[in-house]
Amino acid sequence: GENVEQHPSTLSVQEGDSAVIKCTYSDSASNYFPWYKQELGKGPQLIIDIRSNVGEKKDQRIAVTLNKTAKHFSLHITETQPEDSAVYFCAASVHYTGTASKLTFGTGTRLQVTL
Amino acid sequence: DAGVIQSPRHEVTEMGQEVTLRCKPISGHNSLFWYRQTMMRGLELLIYFNNNVPIDDSGMPEDRFSAKMPNASFSTLKIQPSEPRDSAVYFCASSFSIEQFFGPGTRLTVL
Repeated sequence: GENVEQHPSTLSVQEGDSAVIKCTYSDSASNYFPWYKQELGKGPQLIIDIRSNVGEKKDQRIAVTLNKTAKHFSLHITETQPEDSAVYFCAASVHYTGTASKLTFGTGTRLQVTL
Repeated sequence: DAGVIQSPRHEVTEMGQEVTLRCKPISGHNSLFWYRQTMMRGLELLIYFNNNVPIDDSGMPEDRFSAKMPNASFSTLKIQPSEPRDSAVYFCASSFSIEQFFGPGTRLTVL
């Protein structure tokens, strides 16, 4: 089955700096890669996703890149703010149109943005 | 949109008791997922349904766990009998196409 590894497990950055979280996956058939943000006491919230037919996707301060050859993908957060502090999870799945997507999650990165 | 609704938000029970967790997916979504989150094992998929039919229950840890989806707007996850190692946060998520949306979770503590 799919195996997703995520690094680093903790990341501390100063407000305004950039943060990068990296994930690798094992199943070359995986074609859908979402990122979730989980705040304390809440459920994971989808913040951005990328599909294997694109290499990069941006949404304001957040961007995700995908390297299919190397089987890794990364989350980039620019101009970090205190409210970006949370645990971030990457995930991967093989998605077939019209079916549900079985996600395999990474182990999470605790991001702390300091003033 | 109210999002995915889970109840109860917190449950404390004693070992051996039956526990039932409830989930109401987002209206119009046709897939529902149950996850368990622990420090040791992270986020694990337990079971998922498509159009109320269980598709993959390979993540259900033991026969003590069972899940049902009697209609498109309701699902339950039952643990009987419960054990201390079942203590975790249980999330329900729903989707219409590919994006999954999570509920707030139920924090279960088995004493």
